[in-house]
Amino acid sequence: QKEVEQDPGPLSVPEGAIVSLNCTYSNSAFQYFMWYRQYSRKGPELLMYTYSSGNKEDGRFTAQVDKSSKYISLFIRDSQPSDSATYLCAMSARNQAGTALIFGKGTTLSVSS
Amino acid sequence: NAGVTQTPKFRILKIGQSMTLQCTQDMNHNYMYWYRQDPGMGLKLIYYSVGAGITDKGEVPNGYNVSRSTTEDFPLRLELAAPSQTSVYFCASSYVAVAGGPSYEQYFGPGTRLTVT
Repeated sequence: QKEVEQDPGPLSVPEGAIVSLNCTYSNSAFQYFMWYRQYSRKGPELLMYTYSSGNKEDGRFTAQVDKSSKYISLFIRDSQPSDSATYLCAMSARNQAGTALIFGKGTTLSVSS
Repeated sequence: NAGVTQTPKFRILKIGQSMTLQCTQDMNHNYMYWYRQDPGMGLKLIYYSVGAGITDKGEVPNGYNVSRSTTEDFPLRLELAAPSQTSVYFCASSYVAVAGGPSYEQYFGPGTRLTVT
């Protein structure tokens, strides 16, 4: 089993839809969970960051972590064409450079107007 | 601030050739990283550095070398290019978090697209 599993999609939705993106993981030591957004032919940029379990909301974006199920989610409300990108989940066991980040494969999202 | 810059943007190499991918950041970040991203795959860490003069291997270091003589620069060297090294290479940097260690916000460059034929 890979350490981080993420459905690559592609996922196509109409403008205004609620989008749910998910990752599962196997390493119970992961405590830091991130979502990065990557536009086509660009580098990733941090979208959301959560420590341990719980929810975090930022505008139209909500990140959820369920450590008991080893499952993390990113919800996008009122999706916009500008949200069309690849979304990468990333996680880490502890705050040290050597452990770095373990990335999922990314889910490609397309929002049509 | 330019952030993280990478050169070149694109490169085609023949098998066995060598090249250096350049990476520079102007944010005075201590931590720097090199990743590769293959189509449909996530980012794999090649090498990282916690400061000038200190580097260490990541998940996929074979076939690559790095150096870090200054805070700003972190070049990645491919000595004998192989088709398996065809990929998009991203350089990233991060600052020291309040609690110590690297921040989880890594700042990425635009990438170098390398093809080895």
